[in-house]
Amino acid sequence: DTGVSQDPRHKITKRGQNVTFRCDPISEHNRLYWYRQTLGQGPEFLTYFQNEAQLEKSRLLSDRFSAERPKGSFSTLEIQRTEQGDSAMYLCASSGGFSNQPQHFGDGTRLSIL
Amino acid sequence: AQKITQTQPGMFVQEKEAVTLDCTYDTSDQSYGLFWYKQPSSGEMIFLIYQGSYDEQNATEGRYSLNFQKARKSANLVISASQLGDSAMYFCAMREGEYNFNKFYFGSGTKLNVKP
Repeated sequence: DTGVSQDPRHKITKRGQNVTFRCDPISEHNRLYWYRQTLGQGPEFLTYFQNEAQLEKSRLLSDRFSAERPKGSFSTLEIQRTEQGDSAMYLCASSGGFSNQPQHFGDGTRLSIL
Repeated sequence: AQKITQTQPGMFVQEKEAVTLDCTYDTSDQSYGLFWYKQPSSGEMIFLIYQGSYDEQNATEGRYSLNFQKARKSANLVISASQLGDSAMYFCAMREGEYNFNKFYFGSGTKLNVKP
C-alpha cells in the first residue's frame, strides 16, 4: 500500500492559463474523489469516479473544470482559463466500496493563481 | 440542511487533559458511516476513527473514542490525554448507504490547540 499520490505538490500559474493535476489512488481502490479545500474550511466535493465512470459532479464545478479517469486507475483534473478564485488546495482521495472503509487522501496540490 | 455540523470553530485544551469535539449529522439512511479526520498544519488528511450506524458499541482507537448517540444524531470525538501533537484541524465526515453511495460529506472543522 503506497498511499494516494498527487502531482504536482504546488502549482503557480498566471490567470487565464490551463492547469492539470494528476492523482494515483491506492491500487485496489475503485472509488476516486476530487475535493477542493480553502483555508480554514473542510474539503468541498468536486467529483467522484467509480472505476472509469464519473458518477457525480458538484454543481460548483464549472465548465472550466474537467476530470478523467481513463482506465480506472489514475485520474486527472484540468482547470481551463484559471481565475483568482481557483486558488486552493486540490485533494484527491480513494476508497474501497464498503461503508466502513474510509477515504485515504493524498497530500494535495496547492494551486496559486497570480 | 447541512449534512455535517461542527459548531466549534476553535477549541483550547490543556496538555494531558481530555477534550470533546462535537459533530452532528443529518441523514434519513439507515446505513451510514461516520469518520473523523485530523489535518495538521502540514495539510495531509489523516483518518482517525470510524463508527458504523449499526455498531452498538462506541468505537475506540488508542486515545481516540467516538461518543455515538444515534437518536441524537451526534458523533463526538473524544481525545484523552491531549498531546501537543494533537494541535490540528479535525473534520467529521459521513458516508451514506451501504454500497451505492456517492460521496462523503465533511463538516467545516474544529481547530484544536493544545496548550503546554
